[in-house]
Amino acid sequence: GAVVSQHPSRVICKSGTSVKIECRSLDFQATTMFWYRQFPKQSLMLMATSNEGSKATYEQGVEKDKFLINHASLTLSTLTVTSAHPEDSSFYICSARDGPGEKLFFGSGTQLSVL
Amino acid sequence: DQQVKQNSPSLSVQEGRISILNCDYTNSMFDYFLWYKKYPAEGPTFLISISSIKDKNEDGRFTVFLNKSAKHLSLHIVPSQPGDSAVYFCAAGIKAAGNKLTFGGGTRVLVKP
Repeated sequence: GAVVSQHPSRVICKSGTSVKIECRSLDFQATTMFWYRQFPKQSLMLMATSNEGSKATYEQGVEKDKFLINHASLTLSTLTVTSAHPEDSSFYICSARDGPGEKLFFGSGTQLSVL
Repeated sequence: DQQVKQNSPSLSVQEGRISILNCDYTNSMFDYFLWYKKYPAEGPTFLISISSIKDKNEDGRFTVFLNKSAKHLSLHIVPSQPGDSAVYFCAAGIKAAGNKLTFGGGTRVLVKP
């Protein structure tokens, strides 16, 4: 199947700093990527839909100024957690679709820990 | 409002036996469903999917059944193997709504040797 690469896999940062997470589609072009977050023992919650060349679409309750999304090319989307706080500590996962099918391919995830 | 629910948080099964995972949904607009498997600190990997126009789809050891009238789907794994131990998520989507997926809460499966 299609490969989605996510980096870094783990990051620890101090409260108040910003953290950037990269998501790349390695063998296909993705006009749309999706960012999810997962709290321990909970489900994956969609945060936003990243659209290449245009603004991201955020789900209800997700602060767009807090979670900056940039999708500057067909193979790269980035999520920046600005002024991170301990409550932002979570597992962030990106995903993309290879073609018009319904199957989503996921990156390996980023575990963010804010001290 | 949880539109996709997996009411069993965990399941333990003996190696070689069948694992049955259940998923219920409330939104009748969902027109396709998927099952994903997830290990800790990793992204989910796709297992199998089913369109709402079908009631069964099979791929090797994995079979998904869909009961639209009951808004219920299930994943059967047979025979279960120790490597199947993971968290399984069902997900649902609406093709006309941008293919965003809504996930259930997950079921942790433990296959005992």
